[in-house]
Amino acid sequence: TQLLEQSPQFLSIQEGENLTVYCNSSSVFSSLQWYRQEPGEGPVLLVTVVTGGEVKKLKRLTFQFGDARKDSSLHITAAQTGDTGLYLCAGYNTGGFKTIFGAGTRLFVKA
Amino acid sequence: NAGVMQNPRHLVRRRGQEARLRCSPMKGHSHVYWYRQLPEEGLKFMVYLQKENIIDESGMPKERFSAEFPKEGPSILRIQQVVRGDSAAYFCASSRDSPPGETQYFGPGTRLLVL
Repeated sequence: TQLLEQSPQFLSIQEGENLTVYCNSSSVFSSLQWYRQEPGEGPVLLVTVVTGGEVKKLKRLTFQFGDARKDSSLHITAAQTGDTGLYLCAGYNTGGFKTIFGAGTRLFVKA
Repeated sequence: NAGVMQNPRHLVRRRGQEARLRCSPMKGHSHVYWYRQLPEEGLKFMVYLQKENIIDESGMPKERFSAEFPKEGPSILRIQQVVRGDSAAYFCASSRDSPPGETQYFGPGTRLLVL
């Protein structure tokens, strides 16, 4: 069974701090997505990474896909209160139709 | 361009009743996915459908649960004889083309509470 483990499960930081959250698996994924989910809403796609070693930047967010395509990280620079939410990673493998989701990292940014 | 729409947003049922959840995909999308999310957990894949076809239902319980995506109208996830353990948020997503790598856009979810 393919699993994606996210860490930490919960993170509370002050506005302006930097943070990194991780998504790890023992399985290889052909692509990996990061989503943010706010209370009472569905997940919203932030980025898709497909190439081992790939780095993508989205304003203050930097996403990296591991060389072996088994892990990924999300780094947020100078966090803002608007970054508060549940960050989910999801992996997809060719040959099937399932997207596997991690349990998420719940981020709280204090003013 | 309207996003994925789900209704109802909240649904309360007593044990033994039926729950019917609806999902209208984004315009131009013919692929629909259903997921279940328990509190403090990620989303669990249930079923993937194209118009009039179930492609992968390996994540859906074999009893009491069924899904359809008719030629006309929304996709329906039906749960018969609900039990308390069915209480969860159910999310629908849609994509324009089939996997792999096709972006899935999520609806706001239906929160089911079984009393």
